[in-house]
Amino acid sequence: SQQGEEDPQALSIQEGENATMNCSYKTSINNLQWYRQNSGRGLVHLILIRSNEREKHSGRLRVTLDTSKKSSSLLITASRAADTASYFCATASGGSYIPTFGRGTSLIVHP
Amino acid sequence: KAGVTQTPRYLIKTRGQQVTLSCSPISGHRSVSWYQQTPGQGLQFLFEYFSETQRNKGNFPGRFSGRQFSNSRSEMNVSTLELGDSALYLCASSLGTSAYNEQFFGPGTRLTVL
Repeated sequence: SQQGEEDPQALSIQEGENATMNCSYKTSINNLQWYRQNSGRGLVHLILIRSNEREKHSGRLRVTLDTSKKSSSLLITASRAADTASYFCATASGGSYIPTFGRGTSLIVHP
Repeated sequence: KAGVTQTPRYLIKTRGQQVTLSCSPISGHRSVSWYQQTPGQGLQFLFEYFSETQRNKGNFPGRFSGRQFSNSRSEMNVSTLELGDSALYLCASSLGTSAYNEQFFGPGTRLTVL
């Protein structure tokens, strides 16, 4: 079973709008990572946030982590058509060295 | 630096055959992980190699195996192929263990089993 689950499964917005997707997980984690995947291709790493961090920024991306709620969110501001992709969260639990990916959020940004 | 490369990019096999996929990591990366991606199961971890040793293994049958060479290049092998093995196989490299480090993914090998 998936450790991390993204929500929503799909998101459709207009260019210029913000996109927010969430990731919930079940057990305590050491870190959480967000990746992007363009249709049928390899994944691209976006951000890694450690369990003792609450927020990280990278360009138009903002990631928050709430360990009390076992959830993380990825915010893409001022979205562009090129942001159209699937976004995955990956978690590493306390006792495991196996990164576990969620099923992803499919984001479509209309020009 | 060159990225992670995977060969071949596309492969068509028939049930019962075996297949070998290859992955060349980013220069200097000693960890190589393999994933299987399908529409039904999503991204699933197969195994991770570090300095030629299998460090972690996912929940896959013994038909799935791999190895890593002294130059960090890795191969995975699937024997006695089944229809359900049709998937995108992704390789990723990282400086340290994959669970705690940024992974760099290759473009994948799309395997179709007929």
